[in-house]
Amino acid sequence: GEDVEQSLFLSVREGDSSVINCTYTDSSSTYLYWYKQEPGAGLQLLTYIFSNMDMKQDQRLTVLLNKKDKHLSLRIADTQTGDSAIYFCAEITTDKLIFGTGTRLQVFP
Amino acid sequence: GAGVSQSPSNKVTEKGKDVELRCDPISGHTALYWYRQSLGQGLEFLIYFQGNSAPDKSGLPSDRFSAERTGGSVSTLTIQRTQQEDSAVYLCASSYEVTNYGYTFGSGTRLTVV
Repeated sequence: GEDVEQSLFLSVREGDSSVINCTYTDSSSTYLYWYKQEPGAGLQLLTYIFSNMDMKQDQRLTVLLNKKDKHLSLRIADTQTGDSAIYFCAEITTDKLIFGTGTRLQVFP
Repeated sequence: GAGVSQSPSNKVTEKGKDVELRCDPISGHTALYWYRQSLGQGLEFLIYFQGNSAPDKSGLPSDRFSAERTGGSVSTLTIQRTQQEDSAVYLCASSYEVTNYGYTFGSGTRLTVV
């Protein structure tokens, strides 16, 4: 079945790195995604990774993909208070995105 | 338009009433998706459209929920005889065809059934 799982909360100190983890189930997913949702807003696409890649780096963001374990992670370097939000991972099935439950990242000074 | 527009942004309705939620996708985007986000839950897929057709409506929770899309553009999600468990944020997204390159989301309609 389709199920994407994430831990619900993560709290980090400003300036530290954050690592948000996700496990997915559909091994045929060609792309995997990270979205960010700020309070009262819709979802914003942060980054995505093609399934034949192990890693993708985009400025402060690093995505790691372990296809064997169906594990995806998002690392945010030098986390800032503006990074406080809910982060969703998602996998694509044949016709739609399936989202995880979201991880609420709280950044404290 | 420049982004995905949803209206109303907030809706409070009495239990048993019908509501209509509107989504105006990005011009030229042929695929349109509806998701529901309940408190403490992730995003639950409801339905998607390719043009005016709905190839996958598997996520609609009950027959009280329906959606349509006209002219390959605006979509309306209708909930009949609303119940308190329908309270949630309803999010709409669009993309250029059914794409691998992610969706653009609207800001959502927060529905509260009292």
